[in-house]
Amino acid sequence: GDSVTQMEGPVTLSEEAFLTINCTYTATGYPSLFWYVQYPGEGLQLLLKATKADDKGSNKGFEATYRKETTSFHLEKGSVQVSDSAVYFCALKDGTGNQFYFGTGTSLTVIP
Amino acid sequence: DAGVTQSPTHLIKTRGQHVTLRCSPISGHKSVSWYQQVLGQGPQFIFQYYEKEERGRGNFPDRFSARQFPNYSSELNVNALLLGDSALYLCASSFTAGRAGELFFGEGSRLTVL
Repeated sequence: GDSVTQMEGPVTLSEEAFLTINCTYTATGYPSLFWYVQYPGEGLQLLLKATKADDKGSNKGFEATYRKETTSFHLEKGSVQVSDSAVYFCALKDGTGNQFYFGTGTSLTVIP
Repeated sequence: DAGVTQSPTHLIKTRGQHVTLRCSPISGHKSVSWYQQVLGQGPQFIFQYYEKEERGRGNFPDRFSARQFPNYSSELNVNALLLGDSALYLCASSFTAGRAGELFFGEGSRLTVL
């Protein structure tokens, strides 16, 4: 079945460091891929998405490219801030559009 | 505009009891989904409803049921509660049920089963 595997945390970085959170997926058909973020005490919010191969999603300085050949959707940011501290979830939406599959989440802490 | 609203935000039940969780989607959204998030894990799909019809069901026992009303709000019901049902229950809405549609999540109902 469809599934998402993402890099385990927790991840601790200094402010202005480069961030990569790895995400790979297994899917039949043509899924859409998403990154959601959960700030402390808040619900999940969409960070970015890509709906077909080679699409790049971007938002708030974060980027991820839908790589069909490597079945990956790695999240990157060139310079993290303290306010980026949160839990990040990689997710795919299956070809039927009925169900999202989430990874286990990666906790990021950015220290000044 | 109001986001997805869920009630109650927190509740405590004992084993064997029944619980009803409620969700109001974003205005104009016709699809509602329910997810269970156990501490330290990603959300797990329970149900999706679109235009009041069940469109998908995850790998959860029959103790879990849901419905969507004509105004697109939704209820999740869990019978015969077990300790393992303790989790954050998330409701999410989307405008369509298509593959590209993103989910908009509420802040969840945290259920503790004692």
